[in-house]
Amino acid sequence: DAGVIQSPRHEVTEMGQEVTLRCKPISGHNSLFWYRQTMMRGLELLIYFNNNVPIDDSGMPEDRFSAKMPNASFSTLKIQPSEPRDSAVYFCASTPEDRGTDQPQHFGDGTRLSIL
Amino acid sequence: KQEVTQIPAALSVPEGENLVLNCSFTDSAIYNLQWFRQDPGKGLTSLLLIQSSQREQTSGRLNASLDKSSGRSTLYIAASQPGDSATYLCAVPTGTASKLTFGTGTRLQVTL
Repeated sequence: DAGVIQSPRHEVTEMGQEVTLRCKPISGHNSLFWYRQTMMRGLELLIYFNNNVPIDDSGMPEDRFSAKMPNASFSTLKIQPSEPRDSAVYFCASTPEDRGTDQPQHFGDGTRLSIL
Repeated sequence: KQEVTQIPAALSVPEGENLVLNCSFTDSAIYNLQWFRQDPGKGLTSLLLIQSSQREQTSGRLNASLDKSSGRSTLYIAASQPGDSATYLCAVPTGTASKLTFGTGTRLQVTL
């Protein structure tokens, strides 16, 4: 089992640029989550998908953020245009349960994003 | 709105000590409670998941308890080792069953 794979591990870019973060969930997991972690706000859920369909995107901070899951093995989180306050570590997690109630979430190692 | 608090924020203990990490939550209507470990530069690793109907779960030197009525959970680590040094987070599902609310974590350092 390869675990949840995120890319890139680090991203440094200038304000205003488009940023795309990628995630490959564990094979067979049908729920996928995007989180953001900062010192000030801790770990926050941005959006989660079940069977490739977005279920709850209430944590997405604003319209500059968008997420897609075109198939069961791939998801992207896009920020356009990026701003310095978007600097954070972004995690992807997956779980095999439809409702996610009885199975722990498995996390990737995250993407450390720095917007200059 | 569910709020999850962890005390202490940081803890340093000598190797071999038994220790307790605390987690409290404001809304007791939870499906379960999870404890995670986060190493620097890494993602979270699930340690224990306690169902709302359970009072405790054990895994090796770790024991987690849950008291829903008082909105509290504790993570007990027996015979601590330097390899236990990490940040420990608790989390509860909020609203929809899959939406986790995390505590701010306890940063643990176990010294030789």
